[in-house]
Amino acid sequence: DQQVKQNSPSLSVQEGRISILNCDYTNSMFDYFLWYKKYPAEGPTFLISISSIKDKNEDGRFTVFLNKSAKHLSLHIVPSQPGDSAVYFCAASDGGGGADGLTFGKGTHLIIQP
Amino acid sequence: DGGITQSPKYLFRKEGQNVTLSCEQNLNHDAMYWYRQDPGQGLRLIYYSQIVNDFQKGDIAEGYSVSREKKESFPLTVTSAQKNPTAFYLCASTDRGRNSPLHFGNGTRLTVT
Repeated sequence: DQQVKQNSPSLSVQEGRISILNCDYTNSMFDYFLWYKKYPAEGPTFLISISSIKDKNEDGRFTVFLNKSAKHLSLHIVPSQPGDSAVYFCAASDGGGGADGLTFGKGTHLIIQP
Repeated sequence: DGGITQSPKYLFRKEGQNVTLSCEQNLNHDAMYWYRQDPGQGLRLIYYSQIVNDFQKGDIAEGYSVSREKKESFPLTVTSAQKNPTAFYLCASTDRGRNSPLHFGNGTRLTVT
């Protein structure tokens, strides 16, 4: 049973436009959410996070929105750049304090078209 | 430069052989983790260790073993009992702060034939 779902395996966006990556979760105990970015043959790198007490967090071109009632979060990248082409993983924490309480989605492969 | 080093990057083994994947970190992190990534799949937790000489099974620990004799090192052994060992293995670490992001190594691609 997938508790964190990224329903789009891939997404293609034109350079300069906005990229919107979506993530849904089912566990109401999740209270902290993170996005990781991964290039091929490399480890994921942390991108941005949001606590359940907020509905938006912004860091440069990256903004994460959280809709708790819908159990949905999204990552907005604007403007999209070629270097943003990567796999993006959504992850959710159940408040256990460690990464053992972290659940990852299956990832969305973002492709930025020139 | 602080970071996590996984070696080797590519590893090939014959079926029935045990193989050990190395993970070293110089970030002074207490907690270390091993994940497995398969195509089209998210990251699945194999084992984790929050302090030296202690470790816990993750979601898919069967066929794997670990040790944590030093804070810096958390090797993973893929045993012959693991039915589908071919995968991309990622080691990660984090400090003890709540919700601290994971720092990942660059992974080891294991192929068993």
